[in-house]
Amino acid sequence: DQQVKQNSPSLSVQEGRISILNCDYTNSMFDYFLWYKKYPAEGPTFLISISSIKDKNEDGRFTVFLNKSAKHLSLHIVPSQPGDSAVYFCAGFNNAGNMLTFGGGTRLMVKP
Amino acid sequence: DTAVSQTPKYLVTQMGNDKSIKCEQNLGHDTMYWYKQDSKKFLKIMFSYNNKELIINETVPNRFSPKSPDKAHLNLHINSLELGDSAVYFCASSQGTGWVSPLHFGNGTRLTVT
Repeated sequence: DQQVKQNSPSLSVQEGRISILNCDYTNSMFDYFLWYKKYPAEGPTFLISISSIKDKNEDGRFTVFLNKSAKHLSLHIVPSQPGDSAVYFCAGFNNAGNMLTFGGGTRLMVKP
Repeated sequence: DTAVSQTPKYLVTQMGNDKSIKCEQNLGHDTMYWYKQDSKKFLKIMFSYNNKELIINETVPNRFSPKSPDKAHLNLHINSLELGDSAVYFCASSQGTGWVSPLHFGNGTRLTVT
């Protein structure tokens, strides 16, 4: 039972354009959502987060949108850069369970 | 001065063997974790320790035994290795147990059981 799903295993975008990575979840008890970025042979690194009581959080080129009614969130990267090429993991956090639950990741490739 | 370091980076061993993976963090964090990334690339939590005490123990075979000698170290010992144990294991740490402190991950240990 995957509580966090990233249905697109990969995404290819031209440099300078917008990258949109999607994430769906089934657990309505998540209190926060986080995005992590992972380069090959490295561990994931934290990128951006959003509280379940908000619908948008922005940090530079990265914006996360949350649609609670649809149980859907997305990460927008504008403009995309070749250095953004990595695997992006969406994760939900539940205060009661004190656990992060990760999706399976989406590989983003930004072409120069 | 790697923040979260785990050794070894690669581990190839035969079924039935016992092996350990070590993890150390120099961030002064209170909480450490072990995650497993399986063949489908999902990252799943295995264990969490806060100040050397076990706080999360997901459904993991008891062949896996974490050991935290101090709050800067969390080692993972695996007995009687099986083929299905092949995966990448990530150690992580955070300050506190809530979401406010994101996890800092090590670079992973790729375990291959033959």
